[in-house]
Amino acid sequence: DQQVKQNSPSLSVQEGRISILNCDYTNSMFDYFLWYKKYPAEGPTFLISISSIKDKNEDGRFTVFLNKSAKHLSLHIVPSQPGDSAVYFCAASSGAGSYQLTFGKGTKLSVIP
Amino acid sequence: EAQVTQNPRYLITVTGKKLTVTCSQNMNHEYMSWYRQDPGLGLRQIYYSMNVEVTDKGDVPEGYKVSRKEKRNFPLILESPSPNQTSLYFCASSLVGRKETQYFGPGTRLLVL
Repeated sequence: DQQVKQNSPSLSVQEGRISILNCDYTNSMFDYFLWYKKYPAEGPTFLISISSIKDKNEDGRFTVFLNKSAKHLSLHIVPSQPGDSAVYFCAASSGAGSYQLTFGKGTKLSVIP
Repeated sequence: EAQVTQNPRYLITVTGKKLTVTCSQNMNHEYMSWYRQDPGLGLRQIYYSMNVEVTDKGDVPEGYKVSRKEKRNFPLILESPSPNQTSLYFCASSLVGRKETQYFGPGTRLLVL
């Protein structure tokens, strides 16, 4: 049973527009959420995170929103750039002492120039 | 340069032939972990280690062994590989207390015939 779900395998967005990547989770024990970005032939790199005590975290062009009641989070990229084209993974963990990350399947973002 | 290195990057082997994938980090990180990435399944954690001589199972440990004799190294051992272990493997490391900033290696693509 998948605990972290990214239901859109792919997303195409025009350069300069907003990209919205979605993630749903089922485990109510998750209290920390992360987004990773992965280019082909490279390992994932950390992008942004959010604790369950917040509903929004912003870092430059990237903003993550968390809706705990809906068990849903989203990553907004504004404005989207061609260099943002990559696979984005949503991940979650539970407990401050837990280092186990549960990943979603990933969403491939293509930003069209 | 801070990095996680994995060797080999690509490996083709046959069923039952023992193999080891090495992982090394130069950041003095306590925490290290192995993941596998399969199409449609995202990244799944195999084993992790909180420090030297401390290892624990992740979500999919069957068929794998690990050891942590030195802080910088965390080899993944397949004693008797099977075709269902064909996958893309990632090693990661982080400081304890900074789980969001897991640094990932470039990946090892394994094919078991």
